[in-house]
Amino acid sequence: ILNVEQSPQSLHVQEGDSTNFTCSFPSSNFYALHWYRWETAKSPEALFVMTLNGDEKKKGRISATLNTKEGYSYLYIKGSQPEDSATYLCAPLYNFNKFYFGSGTKLNVKP
Amino acid sequence: DTAVSQTPKYLVTQMGNDKSIKCEQNLGHDTMYWYKQDSKKFLKIMFSYNNKELIINETVPNRFSPKSPDKAHLNLHINSLELGDSAVYFCASSHQRGTGTYEQYFGPGTRLTVT
Repeated sequence: ILNVEQSPQSLHVQEGDSTNFTCSFPSSNFYALHWYRWETAKSPEALFVMTLNGDEKKKGRISATLNTKEGYSYLYIKGSQPEDSATYLCAPLYNFNKFYFGSGTKLNVKP
Repeated sequence: DTAVSQTPKYLVTQMGNDKSIKCEQNLGHDTMYWYKQDSKKFLKIMFSYNNKELIINETVPNRFSPKSPDKAHLNLHINSLELGDSAVYFCASSHQRGTGTYEQYFGPGTRLTVT
């Protein structure tokens, strides 16, 4: 079982604040990283699929970077909104279809 | 249309019983998964099937047996249920994209409570 760490575990910010959180994972034999957004009482939804070329990904106010050599990824949210409140999961992929999920960062954005 | 569906959504049963959870996807994906959300809210992979073939079988008690009658379905059967089996079980499916990476689509989850 691989150790995937996400920090912080939880985060409380005010509407309009920008924030970021971290996912760290073993970099050996890794070949992709997924970020998922998980709202309470719903299912995880894919945000980004990040590959070994390490390109930054962006979707609206949310972006992510990946350091494939050292094994970490940052997720940034610019100008947080209450609807951004969710748990953000990262999941590195090491072999065919096998994901290891972190425990997530729970974001709460106060209006 | 629901992309990945699971039934039932809630399941309450007694210890020792045998139960099944069904999963269906209408996305045309060739790979399906079962995850267990443990007490610490981690999502842990249990099984994965690709084109009806078992490709991942994590350290799961053999009371848990997946069955994939076709690419669109992956069912989970649990024998002799124990209290520790209480959890939320998520089904997911995925397809291949470009460079061989995969994004997963999750079902709504089945909350199993064993009393």
